[in-house]
Amino acid sequence: AQSVTQLDSQVPVFEEAPVELRCNYSSSVSVYLFWYVQYPNQGLQLLLKYLSGSTLVKGINGFEAEFNKSQTSFHLRKPSVHISDTAEYFCAVRLANQAGTALIFGKGTTLSVSS
Amino acid sequence: DGGITQSPKYLFRKEGQNVTLSCEQNLNHDAMYWYRQDPGQGLRLIYYSQIVNDFQKGDIAEGYSVSREKKESFPLTVTSAQKNPTAFYLCASSPGAGANTEAFFGQGTRLTVV
Repeated sequence: AQSVTQLDSQVPVFEEAPVELRCNYSSSVSVYLFWYVQYPNQGLQLLLKYLSGSTLVKGINGFEAEFNKSQTSFHLRKPSVHISDTAEYFCAVRLANQAGTALIFGKGTTLSVSS
Repeated sequence: DGGITQSPKYLFRKEGQNVTLSCEQNLNHDAMYWYRQDPGQGLRLIYYSQIVNDFQKGDIAEGYSVSREKKESFPLTVTSAQKNPTAFYLCASSPGAGANTEAFFGQGTRLTVV
């Protein structure tokens, strides 16, 4: 079965600093990968997804992620964060080429941006 | 506006009572999902449905039940058998059973047992 590990539960950074949120997955077959953001007491919003093709994926709000098959990673990056990026971020995986499955989520990383 | 509507936003329940959380979507999506969120636990899958009148158990289905009588509706019942029901519940949908589609989420229902 596939699984997702988010390596940091909390990441504190200062405004305008770069940030990387780490995600590793485990699967014996090909997967699709997703990053979601959640603001307090709200649902999840898709930031970006990797299905195939270029390993560097650009998403909304200036975020990007790089798929690394050899390291089974899908780390999320932003070169300069804002206070408004303070939120919880979730990495998720789904088996590729297998219909009828649900997204499996990591435990989340809380990004706290301070001035 | 198209989207997923969960109601109510906040729900209080006495121990021993069943309670039903509503989830409606007007996106014409085939697949729908229920997740439970607890602090530090991420999202855990309760039930999911790929088509009307069919659903599958997720990782933590015990103490929960669902129905899928209409494409747009996927209500979740939290029964008295659920030992620790206080949590944030999220409903989601996706266009089809294909793996290359993301899930779209509702705003969640926060259930508190008093």
